[in-house]
Amino acid sequence: AQSVTQLDSHVSVSEGTPVLLRCNYSSSYSPSLFWYVQHPNKGLQLLLKYTSAATLVKGINGFEAEFKKSETSFHLTKPSAHMSDAAEYFCVVTSGYSTLTFGKGTMLLVSP
Amino acid sequence: EAGVAQSPRYKIIEKRQSVAFWCNPISGHATLYWYQQILGQGPKLLIQFQNNGVVDDSQLPKDRFSAERLKGVDSTLKIQPAKLEDSAVYLCASSFGASVSYEQYFGPGTRLTVT
Repeated sequence: AQSVTQLDSHVSVSEGTPVLLRCNYSSSYSPSLFWYVQHPNKGLQLLLKYTSAATLVKGINGFEAEFKKSETSFHLTKPSAHMSDAAEYFCVVTSGYSTLTFGKGTMLLVSP
Repeated sequence: EAGVAQSPRYKIIEKRQSVAFWCNPISGHATLYWYQQILGQGPKLLIQFQNNGVVDDSQLPKDRFSAERLKGVDSTLKIQPAKLEDSAVYLCASSFGASVSYEQYFGPGTRLTVT
């Protein structure tokens, strides 16, 4: 069994400040973890993925995430938010050939 | 390269009517997925195809939902009859293979409203 919990439904930041989107997971096997972003009226886009290589994963647009097995966490960070980062972000867990399990999403709001 | 195409983008129907959604995956992608995304939730897998065969349809409500991928390329998802709780965005995704090492590419989705 696998599940993912995104700890915040909404996160508000000012442009230029750091972003932290929190995700905890549960998996019976060694997990693969992903972050997807969904802009309004656009398809889901993969930001980054962890598949048992380096625990600090760098993605597109300056985002990165760190896999912490002891804390069962995979938080998404970015040093400086941009207005174009405003979107909904999904944390996703899977293992091997099993289906992707999505979290409920975190809406990131960026103010000028 | 062209992305995953879906049509229609929006559909409004009354309950008990039927509706069909179409998906054209990225060329060469053997694996195709249909997801349901209800407002306020993450996408949930309905069905997964490998070429024209079904790999996983455990979460597909088979009494009213059906899907096919006859030639291993395009796919159609049908709902008959629709219920109010079927209001959601239906996402199609494709990948080169079924392993998680292959990225899933998502289409823009079809927003269904059942009144």
